[in-house]
Amino acid sequence: DAGITQSPRHKVTETGTPVTLRCHQTENHRYMYWYRQDPGHGLRLIHYSYGVKDTDKGEVSDGYSVSRSKTEDFLLTLESATSSQTSVYFCAISDGGLARTGELFFGEGSRLTVL
Amino acid sequence: QKEVEQDPGPLSVPEGAIVSLNCTYSNSAFQYFMWYRQYSRKGPELLMYTYSSGNKEDGRFTAQVDKSSKYISLFIRDSQPSDSATYLCAMSWNSGNTPLVFGKGTRLSVIA
Repeated sequence: DAGITQSPRHKVTETGTPVTLRCHQTENHRYMYWYRQDPGHGLRLIHYSYGVKDTDKGEVSDGYSVSRSKTEDFLLTLESATSSQTSVYFCAISDGGLARTGELFFGEGSRLTVL
Repeated sequence: QKEVEQDPGPLSVPEGAIVSLNCTYSNSAFQYFMWYRQYSRKGPELLMYTYSSGNKEDGRFTAQVDKSSKYISLFIRDSQPSDSATYLCAMSWNSGNTPLVFGKGTRLSVIA
């Protein structure tokens, strides 16, 4: 299994509070991604990173920010959580061979509930 | 219209059945096609990868791509209860690291 750790795995928070999810990898892969998965919507890309301090927006980036100060860590921040951000969040990594192999390695997911 | 359409199911079949899962897409530039399998409360994992049109077989699994119809399929032969999972199609148009576009996933149950 690819060395990807997401934390926290479960979190319940209240509307308006800030939340940070962490993705830590031990594979030294260049590319890191944050997805959210919701019933009826499938997997949707929030933000991704193609190197330290290099990030780009995905399909559903509003209300989210990211940071990557080290190769191994990719943080996803909800500045002021809303109930619509209740979801399961997945971190994924790739080694730059995405087109060659199609392989994204996913973490176990972080289940966030915003009350 | 979403770029990738996938029937969410759920699909329930008896053990031993042949399962057909499908996705359609609208972007004719897609060239790289994948199927991911996701067990309950786990992250997705790559099952099959195909470049351009044609078939690819791996054990009981066969992936087909028909670019003229913008249609991809995953066939599972002799389905087993352990195949019960959600299957997501994914695709990309770029030879670099353009993020994948996923379908919504089809939930499959194989009944013993």
